[in-house]
Amino acid sequence: DIQMTQSPSSVFASVGDRVTITCRASQGITRWLAWYQQKPGKAPKLLIYGASTLQSGVPSRFSGSGSGTDFTLTISSLQPEDFATYFCQQAKSFPLTFGGGTKVQIK
Amino acid sequence: QVQLVESGGGVVLPGRSLRLSCVASGFSFSTYGMHWVRQGPGKGLEWVAVIANDGSSYYYAESVKGRFTISRDNSKNTLYLQMNSLTAEDTAVYKCAKEGAVATIRDGLDVWGQGTTVTVSS
Repeated sequence: DIQMTQSPSSVFASVGDRVTITCRASQGITRWLAWYQQKPGKAPKLLIYGASTLQSGVPSRFSGSGSGTDFTLTISSLQPEDFATYFCQQAKSFPLTFGGGTKVQIK
Repeated sequence: QVQLVESGGGVVLPGRSLRLSCVASGFSFSTYGMHWVRQGPGKGLEWVAVIANDGSSYYYAESVKGRFTISRDNSKNTLYLQMNSLTAEDTAVYKCAKEGAVATIRDGLDVWGQGTTVTVSS
């Protein structure tokens, strides 16, 4: 199975800050990586797929980059609605696997 | 409105069975592969199983293989998860999710349900 390791596990930030979350795969997954946002009690929301393609309706302050084993999710200017937990997920092969999550909290 | 609504969760004794359902609306259900993903209390997301759009193929996480069965009824726009021999480790919120593109997992899971809670406890 492909293991996905996210860091940091939590980050404290203020509105307007630039936030970067990283995800590392235990083996190369080319660009088959997705990012999700989840708020408490809610369903996950797809933000990015194919490592860098923004899902329809997702604000442009979200961006993704990377290939192979190392990937990054960047929020260019954090908004109040962005405080949530973010997960990466490899989409190269079954079983699909997720990172442990990064909780973005208010500083 | 594209929507997935799960049901069937509850409290069950270890070793017993439960069947979850996920009703889809607002999209062509029979066109897309469908997944079950679970989230234990205070934990991250764990993928459980996938079924192809026509039900012809499926895969399971090792942790549920041989105990869980994924199926679908395209005439009813409904996805199922039959769970047998349940253990405490199966306690989680179970969510169904739709593939973002036809016949591929590469575009992520673009629609998710809110989930149904399964608690395995004596």
